[in-house]
Amino acid sequence: GDSVTQMEGPVTLSEEACLTINCTYTATGYPSLFWYVQYPGEGLQLLLKATKADDKGSNKGFEATYRKETTSFHLEKGSVQVSDSAVYFCALSPRNQGGKLIFGQGTELSVKP
Amino acid sequence: DAGVIQSPRHEVTEMGQEVTLRCKPISGHNSLFWYRQTMMRGLELLIYFNNNVPIDDSGMPEDRFSAKMPNASFSTLKIQPSEPRDSAVYFCASTLYGGEAVNTEAFFGQGTRLTVV
Repeated sequence: GDSVTQMEGPVTLSEEACLTINCTYTATGYPSLFWYVQYPGEGLQLLLKATKADDKGSNKGFEATYRKETTSFHLEKGSVQVSDSAVYFCALSPRNQGGKLIFGQGTELSVKP
Repeated sequence: DAGVIQSPRHEVTEMGQEVTLRCKPISGHNSLFWYRQTMMRGLELLIYFNNNVPIDDSGMPEDRFSAKMPNASFSTLKIQPSEPRDSAVYFCASTLYGGEAVNTEAFFGQGTRLTVV
């Protein structure tokens, strides 16, 4: 079945460091891909998305590119801030399945001043 | 819009008791999802509805779990009887789904933290 695998955390970085969180997926067909972020005690919020191969999603300095050849959707940011500390989830949404999301296990990011 | 509204935010109950979690989706959305989040298993899709009809309940762990969506603005997830291993955060999410061309954002509620003692 469809699945998402992302790098395990926690990831601890200093402020202004570069961030990469790896995400790979297995799916039949061509799913849409998403990154969601969860701040403590809150629900998930969409960070960015890409709906077809080679699309790049971006938001708040974060980027991810839909790579069909490597079935990947790695999250990157050039300079992280303390306020970026959260749990990040990679997810896919299969075509024609009502918009449901299949999530990776989440990666906790902690940014120190 | 106030977003997806879940109630209660926290629930502590004794083993064997019935628990009902509630969700009000965003007005105009036609798909609703129930997810469970635990440290061990991460985020799992339990069930989803499209136009108030259950489409896929393969993630519902056992017959003790049931979900309903009597109308477009309300859904419940019921556990009867509850067990300690049901302790988790339960999220409801909704989206506007319009076929293959649309994979729109799912909006999540703030979750219900359930503790079964």
